[in-house]
Amino acid sequence: SQQGEEDPQALSIQEGENATMNCSYKTSINNLQWYRQNSGRGLVHLILIRSNEREKHSGRLRVTLDTSKKSSSLLITASRAADTASYFCATFRYSSASKIIFGSGTRLSIRP
Amino acid sequence: DVKVTQSSRYLVKRTGEKVFLECVQDMDHENMFWYRQDPGLGLRLIYFSYDVKMKEKGDIPEGYSVSREKKERFSLILESASTNQTSMYLCASSQLGQGDGKNIQYFGAGTRLSVL
Repeated sequence: SQQGEEDPQALSIQEGENATMNCSYKTSINNLQWYRQNSGRGLVHLILIRSNEREKHSGRLRVTLDTSKKSSSLLITASRAADTASYFCATFRYSSASKIIFGSGTRLSIRP
Repeated sequence: DVKVTQSSRYLVKRTGEKVFLECVQDMDHENMFWYRQDPGLGLRLIYFSYDVKMKEKGDIPEGYSVSREKKERFSLILESASTNQTSMYLCASSQLGQGDGKNIQYFGAGTRLSVL
């Protein structure tokens, strides 16, 4: 079964606005990752946050993790048309033998 | 940069055909994965391999087999393709180990397979 569930499933915002996507998961984790997928392409890793971290930044990306609520959020600030893509959270546990489990993704559209 | 190459971007096959999807990575990664991606279902793991000739079933292995004869190459085989195997297939690789950077997965561009 899916470990991560993203919310919302689809999001459309104006260029320049901030985009926030949420991810919830079911079991304990060692880290949580966010990936991006442009239409018809493979996934690209964006950022990883460890279970003992609460917030992490990378350029215009800000990720938060609340292990007590089993949830994470990805914030993209000052969105650009090129940010249009699907975004997936993925969870990792040391007991899972290198496998990570992906959520169903949020489809983000940036209107010019 | 890690490069994961899938042999075909698009494939059209007929029901009952044997189909080979090939994946090659150039970063000496131990782990390799095959996923299928369908609208609304996210990525589902078909098989993964943590070493040459080693394989482990994922969530949806039925109708598929895999081969890993060399460390850099991981093949997905559809023994007798069926229409319900029409999908996007994604290959990925990662390092072995528990350090954080070691479980980041690197993906190929995907193969969109249509079975008619």
